[in-house]
Amino acid sequence: GAVVSQHPSRVICKSGTSVKIECRSLDFQATTMFWYRQFPKQSLMLMATSNEGSKATYEQGVEKDKFLINHASLTLSTLTVTSAHPEDSSFYICSARQTALGKLFFGSGTQLSVL
Amino acid sequence: GIQVEQSPPDLILQEGANSTLRCNFSDSVNNLQWFHQNPWGQLINLFYIPSGTKQNGRLSATTVATERYSLLYISSSQTTDSGVYFCAVAWGSGTYKYIFGTGTRLKVLA
Repeated sequence: GAVVSQHPSRVICKSGTSVKIECRSLDFQATTMFWYRQFPKQSLMLMATSNEGSKATYEQGVEKDKFLINHASLTLSTLTVTSAHPEDSSFYICSARQTALGKLFFGSGTQLSVL
Repeated sequence: GIQVEQSPPDLILQEGANSTLRCNFSDSVNNLQWFHQNPWGQLINLFYIPSGTKQNGRLSATTVATERYSLLYISSSQTTDSGVYFCAVAWGSGTYKYIFGTGTRLKVLA
């Protein structure tokens, strides 16, 4: 099946620093990628939809200046958490939609801990 | 926006038992997928099932799009089936987005 690679899997940073998370579709092209956030024992909440070559569409309540999304190619999207604070600590998961089949494939997630 | 509710929220089974998980959605959708999230957070795709019925080993799924629900059946459950099960629906026009259900947390006891 299709593979989506997400890095890093775990990051610990100090408050005020920025963290970049990469999401790559390894064996298919993904014109659309999605970024989700998951708090413990909760469901996945959609943060933004990322389209290759255009600006991301953010969900209501998600600060676009804090969560910068770049989808520069058909296989790579990045999420940068700027000036991270402890309340940004969460599990972040990316997904890529395989255009031909319409199926969604997920990265393995990034556990962000902000001290 | 669309509401995606799953039931039951929690389920405890004895190994070997069967179960049915339900996903209700409040609007028409383009696609529906079922996922299993393992203890390490990895989401495993189980079914891509916008309509109809599919089977894969001990698992099967049925989606009745006109009535806005989907069911996931687990037969002869095993301890490795434990985890959280999510349905996700593709909703909207144009570049539709995937919205996750509330999840069902399953624990299978040996």
